[in-house]
Amino acid sequence: QSALTQAASVSGSPGQSITISCTGTSSDVGAYKYVSWYQQHPGKAPQLMIYEVSDRPSGVSNRFSGSKSGNTASLTISGLQAEDEADYYCSSYTSSSTYVFGTGTKVTVL
Amino acid sequence: QVQLQESGPGLVKPSQTLSLTCTVSGASVSSGTYYWSWVRQHPGKGLEWIGYVHYGGNTYSNPSLKSRVTISVDTSKNQFSLRLTSVTAADTAVYYCVAWDGYWGQGSLVTVTS
Repeated sequence: QSALTQAASVSGSPGQSITISCTGTSSDVGAYKYVSWYQQHPGKAPQLMIYEVSDRPSGVSNRFSGSKSGNTASLTISGLQAEDEADYYCSSYTSSSTYVFGTGTKVTVL
Repeated sequence: QVQLQESGPGLVKPSQTLSLTCTVSGASVSSGTYYWSWVRQHPGKGLEWIGYVHYGGNTYSNPSLKSRVTISVDTSKNQFSLRLTSVTAADTAVYYCVAWDGYWGQGSLVTVTS
């Protein structure tokens, strides 16, 4: 299975909004609502930020939102803060009953 | 709050078997709430999904690793485990156990070296 495609890096200034895209196929992202997003700070374990395309776990800021259109899912971070600087990964369930991760996006707060 | 903790050798010799155990607290591995999963991350690289076991005993794994991976559950100890056979240096990574889709262990670095 091929990794989902993400931009290598995205940057923004504090207070701005940024969007990270995650492109898959009709056998994964396009077929299921089971798309998740994770935030990973250096040396730390990933943390779930969004599940089932657009739901937020308890405790996750409402500045994080998710959506999907066709084979592409998106994570939007609004009101960008210094603490949002991290790596972000998407994941999706697949038609083979497996999961696949995205290639990862490094978010830089300018 | 669900908590997971990986344990196992930090060093494995080439061609041997990597074995890791994940101890779960705050949830039962015999429930159907989570897929008990393993994910790894090569140094400086992205996340790679390894596989999962569900409470019914069904297991699924990454096609690229399928022939070498075994994931199992020990309900008596509330643990689940990963076995990866015939390891090479390319299997050097931080291995995470995950209560999919929600909770992650802190990760365990496994280095394959002679």
